[in-house]
Amino acid sequence: DQQVKQNSPSLSVQEGRISILNCDYTNSMFDYFLWYKKYPAEGPTFLISISSIKDKNEDGRFTVFLNKSAKHLSLHIVPSQPGDSAVYFCAATRSSGNTPLVFGKGTRLSVIA
Amino acid sequence: GAVVSQHPSWVICKSGTSVKIECRSLDFQATTMFWYRQFPKQSLMLMATSNEGSKATYEQGVEKDKFLINHASLTLSTLTVTSAHPEDSSFYICSARPNYEAFFGQGTRLTVV
Repeated sequence: DQQVKQNSPSLSVQEGRISILNCDYTNSMFDYFLWYKKYPAEGPTFLISISSIKDKNEDGRFTVFLNKSAKHLSLHIVPSQPGDSAVYFCAATRSSGNTPLVFGKGTRLSVIA
Repeated sequence: GAVVSQHPSWVICKSGTSVKIECRSLDFQATTMFWYRQFPKQSLMLMATSNEGSKATYEQGVEKDKFLINHASLTLSTLTVTSAHPEDSSFYICSARPNYEAFFGQGTRLTVV
């Protein structure tokens, strides 16, 4: 059973517009959530994270929203740029202890110029 | 951010041979490291948790005798794919969590011919 789900395998957005990537989780023990960007044949690059005590975290063009009651989080990228084109993975974990991340299947974002 | 270095970045080996992949934490000590595998267009799947000075913990379905993990120091974990077969061809990535975030190596593309 997938504990972290990214139901959209791909997303296409025009340059300058907002990209919204969604993620759902099922394990209520998760209290820390992260977004990673990944290019083929490279390791994931950390983008932004959020603790379950917050509902929003912003870093430049990237904002992550967390809705605990719905077990849903989203990553907003605005304005989107062609260089943002990549696969984005949502990950969840527990902040206590050295526990691994559980990843969604990823969403391929294409930003069209 | 913290640096995790993985080597080699790619390797081609003959069926039946063994391949060793190294994962180093360059600017922090990691008592625990995580090994993931990613098949094309799939998510990153946790294979095992590597513990410094003790046995690794393997996820269900991962053969411990095939994927040997050694974590002999606080900065180095190795994954050895023994008697490799074409179905072991995949992208292997290591990770460590010095704090809330997890940092990843560059990944190793293994091709078994």
